[in-house]
Amino acid sequence: DAGVIQSPRHEVTEMGQEVTLRCKPISGHDYLFWYRQTMMRGLELLIYFNNNVPIDDSGMPEDRFSAKMPNASFSTLKIQPSEPRDSAVYFCASSLGSSYNEQFFGPGTRLTVL
Amino acid sequence: GEDVEQSLFLSVREGDSSVINCTYTDSSSTYLYWYKQEPGAGLQLLTYIFSNMDMKQDQRLTVLLNKKDKHLSLRIADTQTGDSAIYFCAEAGRRALTFGSGTRLQVQP
Repeated sequence: DAGVIQSPRHEVTEMGQEVTLRCKPISGHDYLFWYRQTMMRGLELLIYFNNNVPIDDSGMPEDRFSAKMPNASFSTLKIQPSEPRDSAVYFCASSLGSSYNEQFFGPGTRLTVL
Repeated sequence: GEDVEQSLFLSVREGDSSVINCTYTDSSSTYLYWYKQEPGAGLQLLTYIFSNMDMKQDQRLTVLLNKKDKHLSLRIADTQTGDSAIYFCAEAGRRALTFGSGTRLQVQP
């Protein structure tokens, strides 16, 4: 069974460009999480969804960040416009039944904003 | 507030035991988790412990929980070079799982 799938695995873009990160959760999982990992700040929860509905977006840094989950098998995290300080590894994770249950992580997208 | 704290770095020799420590804040956590992150990969669940347990053993892994002190530890026996990774503890926080900053374990041959 496929795990959490993220694309692209690597993204290099220039400041000011729009960036879209994609995630496909494990089939049947009803919770989806977006995290950002940097050396300075560690692993930060940005937003999570339950049954495609955003439950808590208090971790989203600012209005430049937006996330959607149009259906149970797909979510996007968009940054517009991107800035160099957005450079990080972005992880998507999914879980079944609760936001406190085991989370299954994707391989991450390494974003570099020049 | 929510703060799961871990030391940042641990270096051991191959064959020795490793002990990674974590302190957490939410005494109502039902589960406490240990995740492992290998280079270039996402986090993967290593083991977990119910809050009503003091200890859990799983092959080379031993988890100890001290609820009074809100202290969690992960012991890896006979540490191998393949155990080199970042280890995160996590508790059930206000929003979802709250992860510590991670402890980078370096195993020297």
